[in-house]
Amino acid sequence: QQQVKQSPQSLIVQKGGISIINCAYENTAFDYFPWYQQFPGKGPALLIAIRPDVSEKKEGRFTISFNKSAKQFSLHIMDSQPGDSATYFCAASTHYKLSFGAGTTVTVRA
Amino acid sequence: SAVISQKPSRDICQRGTSLTIQCQVDSQVTMMFWYRQQPGQSLTLIATANQGSEATYESGFVIDKFPISRPNLTFSTLTVSNMSPEDSSIYLCSVAGGLNTEAFFGQGTRLTVV
Repeated sequence: QQQVKQSPQSLIVQKGGISIINCAYENTAFDYFPWYQQFPGKGPALLIAIRPDVSEKKEGRFTISFNKSAKQFSLHIMDSQPGDSATYFCAASTHYKLSFGAGTTVTVRA
Repeated sequence: SAVISQKPSRDICQRGTSLTIQCQVDSQVTMMFWYRQQPGQSLTLIATANQGSEATYESGFVIDKFPISRPNLTFSTLTVSNMSPEDSSIYLCSVAGGLNTEAFFGQGTRLTVV
């Protein structure tokens, strides 16, 4: 049973465009919601994370929007660059035990 | 952020053998976890490595297949025992706590069983 549902499976965006990835969860005990970026052959790198007492967090071109009542959160990548082409995973956790979404492969066309 | 070193980075092993993967952190951490990432898939939690006591395994994972040690707050090992080709995956160590308020991953160990 997948505890975190992620969509879309893949997306293609033009350079300079906005990439949006959505995740939904059921377990209201989750208290930490990170996003990871993974390049082929590498481990997941923490991109940005949010806790449920905050509705939005921005770090550079990356923004998390969090809707506690809807049990949804999303990642926005602004001004997408070819170097952003990677697989992105959302996750949710209690006590840092992470449940991952299925992943989204983002391709940024130059 | 914590600096996590995993060894080996990759290995090719014969079926029926065992491989021990090491995870070393540059600072004391409260939590250490082991995950598996099967080819083209997402990450799945194998177990929580508990310092000084037996690991806590997730459903579908057992100690006989994946014995874990954690002798101190900066080091853990995962052994993949009696390997079969289905064990071919990336195995990842994750840490959190201590000075870290986030969860970080090592670079992973890419295991191929032939």
